[in-house]
This record gives sequence, structure tokens and C-alpha cells, in this order.
Amino acid sequence: AQTVTQSQPEMSVQEAETVTLSCTYDTSENNYYLFWYKQPPSRQMILVIRQEAYKQQNATENRFSVNFQKAAKSFSLKISDSQLGDTAMYFCACTSGGSNYKLTFGKGTLLTVNP
Amino acid sequence: SAVISQKPSRDICQRGTSLTIQCQVDSQVTMMFWYRQQPGQSLTLIATANQGSEATYESGFVIDKFPISRPNLTFSTLTVSNMSPEDSSIYLCSVTGTSGVETQYFGPGTRLLVL
Repeated sequence: AQTVTQSQPEMSVQEAETVTLSCTYDTSENNYYLFWYKQPPSRQMILVIRQEAYKQQNATENRFSVNFQKAAKSFSLKISDSQLGDTAMYFCACTSGGSNYKLTFGKGTLLTVNP
Repeated sequence: SAVISQKPSRDICQRGTSLTIQCQVDSQVTMMFWYRQQPGQSLTLIATANQGSEATYESGFVIDKFPISRPNLTFSTLTVSNMSPEDSSIYLCSVTGTSGVETQYFGPGTRLLVL
């Protein structure tokens, strides 16, 4: 069984600043994928970034980047130049691998970007 | 990524009744999933919708309560049967992309309130 832990229920950041959201996970799989999704008040789940466990290089998508520490089973999300539209619930997730790639989600971190 | 729609977007239902939620994708996809998000909570996988065969349910979810159909590669339905107030949640479908089955993209969700 997989577990995903997000230890920060809420965070806030000033517009244009940088913020890091934490995530740790546990899995017995050798081949797995990690994701960050955001869920704004509209409730649409939006994929922010993904990381393949077999890749050592940290994934980046514009202002979003991850710090993937495989040995520590840590997968943090850094948001640079925070914008008001980044205000959302952020969920860390991990696949189960195997043949059906079921997602296990953390409890989420509510990020508020203040003007 | 595929465009995913869900109907209805929201509904208010009386206890003891049933509601069928539709998930439509604009292109053929390999896998479709149904999730539940209870108020203030993270996402929990209900089942994997299998094309042409019975869905695969997660522990704690049963077919009698959440019957699922997937008649083709672009469409699935989830029925919430004999509803109670505890079924009040957001229900989301997700699909895997054609570029790889490890990444899931989500529909806009259906907000259900049971009175």
C-alpha cells in the first residue's frame, strides 16, 4: 500500500515571492510516478507537474519545480514568482505502478497568495 | 490532453434516490477512473471503469452502491444509489492520456448534496 503525507495543511505567501510545499511518500514499487495537482475554488483538478521516479533530474514547468529526493522519499513543490491565481488546494499524489496506475493522494495543502 | 466533461455539474437530491453522473471525453482514452472527494477531504478512488467489463472497485466501495458503466472508450457513468447525506461529495472522473497511462487528467467534477 502507498501513503502520501502532506504535513502543511495551510500556507500563505506574498505575491511575487517563492513558496515550497512539502510532500513525503512511501511505496514498495520500484517504478512509480509522482504528481502535484492544484484544485482552485472552481474544484477542477489541474495537473501541475509530474516526476518519473527513475529520473534523477528534477521536473520543471515554468514557475513550478520539484525537489525530488528519492532516498528520503520526499517530493516538494516550489512555486516561484507566486501569482494570485496560484491560490488553491495543492495535492501531492503517487501512482501504484503495476498495470493500472491508481493514484494515492495526500490530504492537501491550502495555499493562499496574498496581494 | 483530452477535454473531459461531466454532467450534471451539481445536483441536490433527496435521500433514498439515485443519481447517475456522466463522464464524456473528446477522444479515446485507455483508462477511466471515478473518485469521491468528501467535504474538506482529499480524493479517494472508488473504482476503475473497464471498457466492456465490470468495474474494479476499491476496498469500501461496492457495485450495488456505485454501479459503473463504460460502454466505449470515451464515455462512462457512475450511479450513486439509495443516497444518504453521507454521500454528499464531489465526484470526479479521470482519464489517462494517450501519451502514457501513468498520468491522469480530471473532469470538472459533480457536486452532489443529499438532503
